[in-house]
Amino acid sequence: DQQVKQNSPSLSVQEGRISILNCDYTNSMFDYFLWYKKYPAEGPTFLISISSIKDKNEDGRFTVFLNKSAKHLSLHIVPSQPGDSAVYFCAASLHTSGTYKYIFGTGTRLKVLA
Amino acid sequence: EPEVTQTPSHQVTQMGQEVILRCVPISNHLYFYWYRQILGQKVEFLVSFYNNEISEKSEIFDDQFSVERPDGSNFTLKIRSTKLEDSAMYFCASSEMRSSPNQPQHFGDGTRLSIL
Repeated sequence: DQQVKQNSPSLSVQEGRISILNCDYTNSMFDYFLWYKKYPAEGPTFLISISSIKDKNEDGRFTVFLNKSAKHLSLHIVPSQPGDSAVYFCAASLHTSGTYKYIFGTGTRLKVLA
Repeated sequence: EPEVTQTPSHQVTQMGQEVILRCVPISNHLYFYWYRQILGQKVEFLVSFYNNEISEKSEIFDDQFSVERPDGSNFTLKIRSTKLEDSAMYFCASSEMRSSPNQPQHFGDGTRLSIL
């Protein structure tokens, strides 16, 4: 089951530059998408989300873009900071049997170099 | 900011033993979830719970698993007879609404379950 895929296991970026994390999905029934950040020994922390009817959502340094025709979303972090170094998970919300569950990607480890 | 809290942070159990993982969801949240992450793999949905009953469970959530909300604050996951392959990080999550981009699920820090 590979409904949500993050093809880059890791990414290194210089401080101050843009970080772009990518996510692909296969199920057109997802109703919204989320990005979570995870530090070691902590649970996933919600970062930003986007409804499937929108193509962009922005929150401070974080912007998520959704391309429905390509079934692709991306997270842009500008400017990147060393504190952004973490594992980033893409997740999709799926409605089945009266409830909503999240389908996660495998994560991308972002390292921001000072 | 309110948090989902999970105890213990690490549980070591002999194979075949019962284990109970505990969670205290955010107080005004109504929907509760368990996910797990086997080392090196993706976070996987196990079960969702609302109004004192299971809303949905995955194929992983077999008869060895059960969930309960024994009082107004705790939400527990029980594994009756643990197997080696149950070793994983177990995350509890809660949400205020059934689903909304602006009301996401909030996750605890997880319980690392190690089966010997």
